[in-house]
Amino acid sequence: SQQGEEDPQALSIQEGENATMNCSYKTSINNLQWYRQNSGRGLVHLILIRSNEREKHSGRLRVTLDTSKKSSSLLITASRAADTASYFCATAVNAGGTSYGKLTFGQGTILTVHP
Amino acid sequence: GAGVSQSPSNKVTEKGKDVELRCDPISGHTALYWYRQRLGQGLEFLIYFQGNSAPDKSGLPSDRFSAERTGESVSTLTIQRTQQEDSAVYLCASSRQGGGYTFGSGTRLTVV
Repeated sequence: SQQGEEDPQALSIQEGENATMNCSYKTSINNLQWYRQNSGRGLVHLILIRSNEREKHSGRLRVTLDTSKKSSSLLITASRAADTASYFCATAVNAGGTSYGKLTFGQGTILTVHP
Repeated sequence: GAGVSQSPSNKVTEKGKDVELRCDPISGHTALYWYRQRLGQGLEFLIYFQGNSAPDKSGLPSDRFSAERTGESVSTLTIQRTQQEDSAVYLCASSRQGGGYTFGSGTRLTVV
């Protein structure tokens, strides 16, 4: 398996429900980021959580990070049809003490929110 | 510019031809990255630029792939003698060091 694996691979919910996506990784990280992708083109940065942080909020998004379990979760509350997209976690690994920004992406979770 | 610009947005080429893909990053972003995404897959790292140098080119799949960056700005990804397996969306991103990425809309390359 690879650095940054999301589960589930696909998630289908009704509008108004919460959506939770999980990400696991293997190596020590500097930070973990979540991205959203519509229609297989450019990704949009959602949120970055650093290795010394445990939880972060941004609007309807809540991200947690458990470095002991090497896992993260993304919660979208009160989902909307417009949240339908693919969601990717990405990890920036420690590189000799420098903040080297190369990200390794997972395979993504396809979220479908039904109106 | 306000965002990362990639051109062309779509490219259809015949097998064996060379292609050049261009990326204009956000002004002031010192880091620039190229990724490849095959249909239904995650992003595959190709190369990273810090300024005009490429300290990590470990993701380039073969010597048919090369990239350069000039003026700490525009980057060009060149694929020589294209093969059908090169068909993918090629995504460029830029960032301030250690920050989140801003992605371009990508170039969809189809090799026929």
